Amino acid sequence: KQEVTQIPAALSVPEGENLVLNCSFTDSAIYNLQWFRQDPGKGLTSLLLIQSSQREQTSGRLNASLDKSSGRSTLYIAASQPGDSATYLCAVSGDRGSTLGRLYFGRGTQLTVWP
Amino acid sequence: ETGVTQTPRHLVMGMTNKKSLKCEQHLGHNAMYWYKQSAKKPLELMFVYSLEERVENNSVPSRFSPECPNSSHLFLHLHTLQPEDSALYLCASSQALTDNQPQHFGDGTRLSIL
Repeated sequence: KQEVTQIPAALSVPEGENLVLNCSFTDSAIYNLQWFRQDPGKGLTSLLLIQSSQREQTSGRLNASLDKSSGRSTLYIAASQPGDSATYLCAVSGDRGSTLGRLYFGRGTQLTVWP
Repeated sequence: ETGVTQTPRHLVMGMTNKKSLKCEQHLGHNAMYWYKQSAKKPLELMFVYSLEERVENNSVPSRFSPECPNSSHLFLHLHTLQPEDSALYLCASSQALTDNQPQHFGDGTRLSIL
């Protein structure tokens, strides 16, 4: 069964720092990897989706990389702002024999950016 | 409205009550999902529907009963729940049931079982 691990579990930094959030998965036979953001009491907002054939995706100050063979992904946040404070979740789709569309989630990294 | 809407946002119920959670998507998607988010576990997939047909029941107890009357609506009927069922229940949708379609989530229903 696919297992997804996110490190660190929590991170607190001053505004302006560049951040790296880590995600690892046990089965490299994935179709894609998604990074989500979750604000308190809210649902998930998709930030970036990386297909298994891709190495990275960028959106604004966010950059996600994927090393499928080693089972790792990183989310890089440049010039962090207090508005980036949220929980960031990593999820992978598809493994051997799984139902199409099934996502396996990590527990998330709770990020706090203080002014 | 746009996106995925879930009602109610909060629900408190006793173990003997019967209630239903509702999800509606305005994205024209064909696949819908129910997830459970507990405080001590990663997000867990419960049910998957594609074109109104259930394609997965992820070993969910029978006290949870899903219903998908059309591709825009998804319900989760609840009865005789247990305290450990207290959680945030999230609904999601995607354009199709493939691994290359991003899932769009609602804001969830926070369920508390007394």
